[in-house]
Amino acid sequence: QQQVKQSPQSLIVQKGGISIINCAYENTAFDYFPWYQQFPGKGPALLIAIRPDVSEKKEGRFTISFNKSAKQFSLHIMDSQPGDSATYFCAATSGSGGGADGLTFGKGTHLIIQP
Amino acid sequence: DAGVTQSPTHLIKTRGQQVTLRCSPKSGHDTVSWYQQALGQGPQFIFQYYEEEERQRGNFPDRFSGHQFPNYSSELNVNALLLGDSALYLCASSSGQGYQETQYFGPGTRLLVL
Repeated sequence: QQQVKQSPQSLIVQKGGISIINCAYENTAFDYFPWYQQFPGKGPALLIAIRPDVSEKKEGRFTISFNKSAKQFSLHIMDSQPGDSATYFCAATSGSGGGADGLTFGKGTHLIIQP
Repeated sequence: DAGVTQSPTHLIKTRGQQVTLRCSPKSGHDTVSWYQQALGQGPQFIFQYYEEEERQRGNFPDRFSGHQFPNYSSELNVNALLLGDSALYLCASSSGQGYQETQYFGPGTRLLVL
């Protein structure tokens, strides 16, 4: 049973455009939602993360929108650049207060920014 | 400040063999988690070690085992390798103190089983 569903599987955006990736989760115990960026041959790198007590978090060109009632969250990349071309993963976990539990990942979105 | 390091970078084994992968956590971190990432898929959680004990485990068979040392470094062992074990194995470290969820990943070990 996949607990985090991510879409689209692949996405092509023109340089300067907005890239939007969506995720939905099932487990209501999840309370921490990070996004990771992964380049070929590298490990995932933390991009931005949110907790469900806020509906939006912005860091530079990256914004997470969170809808707790719908159990959905999304990543928006503003002014997308060719260097943003990578695979993006949403993830979720429950922080039990004693550190992070294992992350549950979506299947990833392969993003291509065309110059 | 060194990040998460893993060794070796690449490994080729044959079916039925055993393999050991190694991970050193980011400075100041005491918790290590292991993930398996098949080609074109998201990472899947194998298990997590904290205070030298397995704290949490994902849906992986007992062929997958691990260990954490007093210096917080960790090993992942896989016995009786199957072709399907071919994947990128990722180690992530985090802090077990307080409400700290952020996990930082290493570059991974690429395992090929022939």
